Order: sequence, then C-alpha cells, then structure tokens
Amino acid sequence: SYELTQPSSVSVSPGQTASIICSGDKLGQKYVCWYQQKPGQSPILIMYQDNKRPSGIPERFSGSNSGNTATLTISGTQAMDEADYYCQAWDSSYVVFGGGTQLTVL
Amino acid sequence: QVQLVQSGAEVKKPGASVKVTCKASGYTFTAYYIHWLRQAPGQGLEWMGWINPNSGDINYLQKFQGRVTMTRDTSISSAYLELSRLKSDDTAVYYCARDPGRTGPGNQFDYWGQGTLVTVS
Repeated sequence: SYELTQPSSVSVSPGQTASIICSGDKLGQKYVCWYQQKPGQSPILIMYQDNKRPSGIPERFSGSNSGNTATLTISGTQAMDEADYYCQAWDSSYVVFGGGTQLTVL
Repeated sequence: QVQLVQSGAEVKKPGASVKVTCKASGYTFTAYYIHWLRQAPGQGLEWMGWINPNSGDINYLQKFQGRVTMTRDTSISSAYLELSRLKSDDTAVYYCARDPGRTGPGNQFDYWGQGTLVTVS
C-alpha cells in the first residue's frame, strides 16, 4: 500500500520560515493537499492541488510538489500557526494521509 | 454557508454497532461526495471510504470491508456511517467531510464535520 512519510515534529521561531515535508514514491505525479489541525478541532484544508490556497488561507502558506517530496512552507510563521499538519494524496481509488507533523512555534 | 453537522458522542460495548449521522446544509447535498474518516486518540487521520449521495455508490477501504456501511437519505440531506462488531481500537473521533469534485471523488476535503467521538469500552 502507498505510504506518505512526514517528520513527527518541526520547530520554528516566530517570524521565520517553516518547511514541512511529505515523502512518497513518485509523489510528484499525484496531487497533494495539506490540512491544519489544532487541538480539539476538525482539520482545515490549507492547500490543495499541490499549491493552491483555499479562500481565507493566508498568503504565508505555500506548497510545492516534485519528485518524491511535497513541501508545505509557512513564511513569517506566527504563533497561531502552531498545530498538526497532515499531507494527503490519492493512490488509485484510496485516500492516503501522512502521519502528521506537529509544528511548534517557539 | 456549507455546514456538516454530526451526531453526538457515543459509548458502545465491544461487539456492538454504532451509527453516526452527518447532516449537510448550505449546498446541494447530492452534488458532492461525502467521505468518512477517523482519528484515534493522539493519532493521525485515517480515511474509511466515500459515498456518492446522488447514486448511493460506495467505496470502502478494504480494512473496513464487512464491518462498515455508508448510506444516505437525500430527503434530509444526511449521510450515515455504521460500524459493526466494534473493538476497543475503534475508539476514535469520526469525521464526515465533503469532496468538492463535481465529476467524482479524488480531490481534497473542503468542509469537515465537527467530529463524533465513539468510545468502545
């Protein structure tokens, strides 16, 4: 079965750039999306089709996908960005999630 | 505005079944696929399957085949997830989510329900 791998945690200082990677075999040939989830809340879509931001998502969030790696980049990270982030893709007819990355802003 | 409102928390005994409701509003219910996902305590997201609210067609993750049933009632814009033969490791928050694809599943999940905690104990 297809697997997506994310680092379990990433730390960043306020105002700096955070990069969260998601790896999978030939992932660049699939569309990747990203969700943000804060404790006790439902996930929120923050990126789809690799690099498209839904309405209302700040411009500091950007995405890319090439080769075997997709990357979610948060520029000028704010304290409010502290959350879990999940990448997601489709493999044939099934949905696959990465294991999630806990972003700490300190 | 689009909303997916789920039924309340459930506590079930091992071996029992649970049925979770997802009521949609703010859009044409039959136009978009509904997916079901779950998240065990402290764990990541797990996709379970989808239902086409228009046709009733379904696709389940093989792991849940034989135990899961997804249905819908278009008259009240509601989708249902039923999971049978519950085990302790089915304890999780269950979510419904909308797939914005007009021509079929295979997209992102743009709206999520608030989640339903199912505890098996």
